[in-house]
Amino acid sequence: SAVISQKPSRDICQRGTSLTIQCQVDSQVTMMFWYRQQPGQSLTLIATANQGSEATYESGFVIDKFPISRPNLTFSTLTVSNMSPEDSSIYLCSVEDPRSPVPRNYGYTFGSGTRLTVV
Amino acid sequence: QQPVQSPQAVILREGEDAVINCSSSKALYSVHWYRQKHGEAPVFLMILLKGGEQKGHDKISASFNEKKQQSSLYLTASQLSYSGTYFCGTEQLAGNMLTFGGGTRLMVKP
Repeated sequence: SAVISQKPSRDICQRGTSLTIQCQVDSQVTMMFWYRQQPGQSLTLIATANQGSEATYESGFVIDKFPISRPNLTFSTLTVSNMSPEDSSIYLCSVEDPRSPVPRNYGYTFGSGTRLTVV
Repeated sequence: QQPVQSPQAVILREGEDAVINCSSSKALYSVHWYRQKHGEAPVFLMILLKGGEQKGHDKISASFNEKKQQSSLYLTASQLSYSGTYFCGTEQLAGNMLTFGGGTRLMVKP
């Protein structure tokens, strides 16, 4: 399966500042997904990032707050802008196994996550 | 819409069995199962495609009833290493995004 390097692993930030999270994949993938996971909760999709086009955001998430870059097929960044304590969460990137879709026997691989605390 | 998982939590003794259910209100193309240990990323367990199938490896298996839009994960003869939170993820179309259920916390005690 793909190997994802996600940085930083954790950070403590002041409210009103921004943090950029990076994900590097060891193989080329078409789509990269960004999720948010509140402690003890499920994973909520923020946006889907395709190379060469604007990211597609889910309901409740906007580009001004969570700008995403996807400069090539192995790399993406998510920025959490103008942070408030409500943004404290774990942020994860994910990719579909490049061996998919034929045969579709493989799932998604996740980065190790970025634990963000806003104070 | 988020699939519904049940139970929300289960405590087992080593060697006992458990079933985790995942139910969707929408037609599904596939159901994924993941396990997440505390402080770690979710890890893929298996995927089941529409057409109704059952899969398994070792003592963990799963079924997918396409007509009922339901999937179940079966853990038999549980081991301490099975502890964690299990998530189902549903896909309505091939290559579409995954929507995750609320998770089931599984704790296996000696």
